[in-house]
Amino acid sequence: AQKVTQAQTEISVVEKEDVTLDCVYETRDTTYYLFWYKQPPSGELVFLIRRNSFDEQNEISGRYSWNFQKSTSSFNFTITASQVVDSAVYFCALSNYGNNRLAFGKGNQVVVIP
Amino acid sequence: EADIYQTPRYLVIGTGKKITLECSQTMGHDKMYWYQQDPGMELHLIHYSYGVNSTEKGDLSSESTVSRIRTEHFPLTLESARPSHTSQYLCASSLSPGLAGVSNEQFFGPGTRLTVL
Repeated sequence: AQKVTQAQTEISVVEKEDVTLDCVYETRDTTYYLFWYKQPPSGELVFLIRRNSFDEQNEISGRYSWNFQKSTSSFNFTITASQVVDSAVYFCALSNYGNNRLAFGKGNQVVVIP
Repeated sequence: EADIYQTPRYLVIGTGKKITLECSQTMGHDKMYWYQQDPGMELHLIHYSYGVNSTEKGDLSSESTVSRIRTEHFPLTLESARPSHTSQYLCASSLSPGLAGVSNEQFFGPGTRLTVL
């Protein structure tokens, strides 16, 4: 069974502060894939990153960075120097090898206060 | 930028009406999905399709039905809408994992916000 837990429901930060979103997952498979999506107020989900279970390197893309730790089954997401445009719901998701079906977490609502 | 379209974006309709939510993609993806999402809540998979003439029910039971007659088109139908169907419906598509088994990302449409009075 697959399960994704995003414990923090709503996080408010002042602009330019950093914010870290936690994602903890459960799966019995040894090969799996982790994703982060952003859902702005407009409603559509925007793909941010995919990471496979064999690649534990951290990744940075502009102000976004991801920390994958297999030992703790976590795939955390940090926004550095947050901006108002970062205000959105962020979803972590998991799929297993050979299967595109995604199990989503409940999402983190990020509110960036100007 | 993903090329996946949903119409209508917003729909307010009375109880008992039949409705069809349209979803089309121009990326040639063989897999397509429908999710239901209540405001501020997680996404629940209600239908998916591996290709033409293939449809499966998802993790959340739904009274809606889907069809996949063409690769690019995956409409969702509610025969008799009820207030409990009020929600946002998101369509997505992806490439199949392929021989390597790599799970590809799903691309999402803008969603249809359905309100049944």
